[in-house]
Amino acid sequence: AQSVAQPEDQVNVAEGNPLTVKCTYSVSGNPYLFWYVQYPNRGLQFLLKYITGDNLVKGSYGFEAEFNKSQTSFHLKKPSALVSDSALYFCASWGTDKLIFGTGTRLQVFP
Amino acid sequence: EPEVTQTPSHQVTQMGQEVILRCVPISNHLYFYWYRQILGQKVEFLVSFYNNEISEKSEIFDDQFSVERPDGSNFTLKIRSTKLEDSAMYFCASRRGQGLGYGYTFGSGTRLTVV
Repeated sequence: AQSVAQPEDQVNVAEGNPLTVKCTYSVSGNPYLFWYVQYPNRGLQFLLKYITGDNLVKGSYGFEAEFNKSQTSFHLKKPSALVSDSALYFCASWGTDKLIFGTGTRLQVFP
Repeated sequence: EPEVTQTPSHQVTQMGQEVILRCVPISNHLYFYWYRQILGQKVEFLVSFYNNEISEKSEIFDDQFSVERPDGSNFTLKIRSTKLEDSAMYFCASRRGQGLGYGYTFGSGTRLTVV
């Protein structure tokens, strides 16, 4: 069965520092991977996706993610964190017309 | 930007009661979904719906659950007799088409608390 894992419940980072939110996957066949973000009282918002091609995927709000097949990882990154990036981040894989989510990682960016 | 609207944002119900969670998908979307997240756990797929019928449902979606698109604009999730373990955040989502090229738009969720 397909699954994604987010090993960190929370990530704390100072504003201006680089951030990484980790995700590993276990899928059969080609992995199709996504990152979503949830701000307080808002729905899940799409950030970026990896389907094929370049391993470094650029998305919304300055985020990017690196697909690493050998490590089965799809970590979310941003070179310089903002306080407004504080939110809940979900990694997901594609499972034939549905998304399979991880448990989410809460990102806290401190001023 | 078009939104998926969910009401209510928070509902408290007694165990054994029926609840209906409501969603208004984006008007030109054809595929509809319910997901839920139990506190501290992953977001789980419940059901997908297209052309007025269920396309796929998960093991969670047992006979206590049903979905309906009663009037062409609303998409509802009914839990017939709620259990304590139904307490979760329920997300509605819609898409214009199938396949990887069509993105999901999620609502902000309904937090269901069963007491």
